[in-house]
Amino acid sequence: QSALTQPASVSGSPGQSITISCTGTSSDVGGYNYVSWYQQHPGKAPKLMIYDVSNRPSGVSNRFSGSKSGYTASLTISGLQAEDEADYYCSSYTTTSTPIVFGPGTKVTVL
Amino acid sequence: EVQLVQSGAEVKKPGESLRISCKGSGYSFTTYWISWVRQMPGKGLEWMGRVDPSDSYSNYSPSFQGHVTISADKSISTAYLQWSSLKASDTAMYYCARRKYSSSPNDVFDIWGQGTMVTVSS
Repeated sequence: QSALTQPASVSGSPGQSITISCTGTSSDVGGYNYVSWYQQHPGKAPKLMIYDVSNRPSGVSNRFSGSKSGYTASLTISGLQAEDEADYYCSSYTTTSTPIVFGPGTKVTVL
Repeated sequence: EVQLVQSGAEVKKPGESLRISCKGSGYSFTTYWISWVRQMPGKGLEWMGRVDPSDSYSNYSPSFQGHVTISADKSISTAYLQWSSLKASDTAMYYCARRKYSSSPNDVFDIWGQGTMVTVSS
């Protein structure tokens, strides 16, 4: 059972914007600006999309953005495209028994 | 090109031992920690542990401590994940991943291996 909470699924039409939430506690998301987001297409390795809440690695589309408020971090995908259909995982630094915790993942469907 | 290349899929029987590998190239292998991440069929990502290739220091998630060993051989830029006695519940995809920062408490994984599927079945 993950210490972080994500919606199981989010959907949107092409061109729309969607937001995926990732809720934690003061020991992880709420206490540090150390949230990352990963995209995983079926049968593929995860890919880093956002780190340190809102930083985008080079090569990642600027349609992807991250933010945080209190105990909840968010990933927003704007101008939704068919290729964005994938699973998305948040992760956070944590002061519990492990240095990092992943969320359970959110399946994004492009209608 | 910076990359991590993992060893191929494995099929093993319960009780058997196994070591899978993750070879780094295109960067200074000893500068970045390597983590291993498990993904059971149809499930999410679980951090297992990590190794500092410069000195082979490793630490583990309590969920995996004592059941797996993570190591590295810096002379050949390779990290390893090994089991001494596999269980059916070890059936999963295993990814190695490079830690982006060497001087931050945050484990950000910027480079991932392609994954190694391990199947344990009698």
